[in-house]
Amino acid sequence: EDKVVQSPLSLVVHEGDTVTLNCSYEVTNFRSLLWYKQEKKAPTFLFMLTSSGIEKKSGRLSSILDKKELFSILNITATQTGDSAIYLCALRAGSYQLTFGKGTKLSVIP
Amino acid sequence: DAEITQSPRHKITETGRQVTLACHQTWNHNNMFWYRQDLGHGLRLIHYSYGVQDTNKGEVSDGYSVSRSNTEDLPLTLESAASSQTSVYFCASSAATSTGELFFGEGSRLTVL
Repeated sequence: EDKVVQSPLSLVVHEGDTVTLNCSYEVTNFRSLLWYKQEKKAPTFLFMLTSSGIEKKSGRLSSILDKKELFSILNITATQTGDSAIYLCALRAGSYQLTFGKGTKLSVIP
Repeated sequence: DAEITQSPRHKITETGRQVTLACHQTWNHNNMFWYRQDLGHGLRLIHYSYGVQDTNKGEVSDGYSVSRSNTEDLPLTLESAASSQTSVYFCASSAATSTGELFFGEGSRLTVL
């Protein structure tokens, strides 16, 4: 059974801090790993990772995948209050549906 | 612009009643999914469909059914609502040629009293 474990489950930081969110997984047929951001409503797509060691970057957010050690990290530098959200890690294995972790709730305080 | 819409956005019902949540997408995606989101559990897959007349059970399918009569719609039916089905329900879709990205609806919050 495919499994996704995110840590920490919640995190409180001050504006300007750098945070690292973790996602480890177990899978029998890896296709891709995705990160989503969820504020009050629908999750919105951030990154999709398929290859080890290749960093994906968008502004202050970046992510990387390690297929040997079976984990991914999402980094956010110079955090802002607008980064407060639940960050979801999801695994695609073999078919089209995604298996999600429980999410990391990030709170950024001024 | 293409989109995915859910209705109703909020619903309160009583135990034992039948409830249908609608999902309509204009992306022309073959793949459609229903997830529920609960505190402490994250997003869990209920049912999914890879095309017209195709439906499949997900991780938490008991008490739910879906039907796919066209590409655009995947309604989710709770045959006899239970309090354990109080949750936020998300519909999502993806293209058959995609590498995994799902596009989500805004969610439907269901309360079963």
